[in-house]
Amino acid sequence: NAGVMQNPRHLVRRRGQEARLRCSPMKGHSHVYWYRQLPEEGLKFMVYLQKENIIDESGMPKERFSAEFPKEGPSILRIQQVVRGDSAAYFCASSPPGDYSPLHFGNGTRLTVT
Amino acid sequence: AQTVTQSQPEMSVQEAETVTLSCTYDTSENNYYLFWYKQPPSRQMILVIRQEAYKQQNATENRFSVNFQKAAKSFSLKISDSQLGDTAMYFCAFNYGGSQGNLIFGKGTKLSVKP
Repeated sequence: NAGVMQNPRHLVRRRGQEARLRCSPMKGHSHVYWYRQLPEEGLKFMVYLQKENIIDESGMPKERFSAEFPKEGPSILRIQQVVRGDSAAYFCASSPPGDYSPLHFGNGTRLTVT
Repeated sequence: AQTVTQSQPEMSVQEAETVTLSCTYDTSENNYYLFWYKQPPSRQMILVIRQEAYKQQNATENRFSVNFQKAAKSFSLKISDSQLGDTAMYFCAFNYGGSQGNLIFGKGTKLSVKP
């Protein structure tokens, strides 16, 4: 049973470009979460999605960031017009249905903005 | 505001010995979940142990155990018989009853196990 798959592992973008980060949850998991980890910091919650629905986006920056989890295919975290401050590791996690099931994390995507 | 504090940025321990990592948190909620995650150099976040606040019994997973003091809002992790593979960042986190998966993490403790 494959774990949470994130790609790419590393992503380099110039300021002003768009970044697209992909996440395929574990088989049987219908809940997806995105977190951001700045250097020397813990993870910060960004958004919680179920298929075709955003459940909680309280941690998402108001501008330039969006997330989706379509009926088919992976979840996508999209960052438009990236700035240097967006450089971080972005983690996706998934869980099965059910209240407060443990999260399973992917290996993260390290985004570097030059 | 809900916060998690890990007061030890770095710790080291000799192989086969025992080490305790501290964590305190602040919440006004009565029911919540507490977690310890391990992040080795590979960067993957691995769940080490989980505690439900309404359970008084401390959780145990093999060499890992917690000391959960609800009144003191303390949740320390004890690693017994430390192994070289335990070298990693350790993050304390809790879910305060907000949306599922909305975990609040501490800044982490870097643990080095020395041979």
